[in-house]
Amino acid sequence: AQKVTQAQTEISVVEKEDVTLDCVYETRDTTYYLFWYKQPPSGELVFLIRRNSFDEQNEISGRYSWNFQKSTSSFNFTITASQVVDSAVYFCAPRGGSNYKLTFGKGTLLTVNP
Amino acid sequence: KAGVTQTPRYLIKTRGQQVTLSCSPISGHRSVSWYQQTPGQGLQFLFEYFSETQRNKGNFPGRFSGRQFSNSRSEMNVSTLELGDSALYLCASSPWGGENTEAFFGQGTRLTVV
Repeated sequence: AQKVTQAQTEISVVEKEDVTLDCVYETRDTTYYLFWYKQPPSGELVFLIRRNSFDEQNEISGRYSWNFQKSTSSFNFTITASQVVDSAVYFCAPRGGSNYKLTFGKGTLLTVNP
Repeated sequence: KAGVTQTPRYLIKTRGQQVTLSCSPISGHRSVSWYQQTPGQGLQFLFEYFSETQRNKGNFPGRFSGRQFSNSRSEMNVSTLELGDSALYLCASSPWGGENTEAFFGQGTRLTVV
């Protein structure tokens, strides 16, 4: 069975702090992709980044960076110098095999205070 | 390029009624998926369509159904509404729905059953 765990339910930071969101995906699949989405209060899920399970290289895009540790099935997503507009619920959602669906974690509510 | 459009945005229905929600995917996208989001269960996969064929279905009762038209627009129908069907229903489109392709979401239809 596949299991997605976002252990952090809520995180609160002060603007300009760095914040890391954790996601652990347990699966028997050897190849899969993991997506991060952001859901602001408006409700729309906004696609942020995509990572695959066979590339452990860390990547940076603007204020976002992410890394994958295969040994622990852990995908971590970091926002550098957080801003108030980053306040939202963040979801990690893996997709593997041919079932065509995203399996969402419970989400992490990030609040960035001015 | 227009994003994913869902109509209506808000809906109030009475128990026992039926409802039809509509989703227009991004132009050129042939895969459409539907998700239900509730505070208790989080984001759950309903079904996925590609070229008018349902390729995968989530664990929902038969009251939930969907279809896709030749222009890739999709509708989902819920019959005999129950109070527990109150949720945000999100539609996502992707070029072909494969595991390595990101899905782009609409703003959702918020259904309230009274």
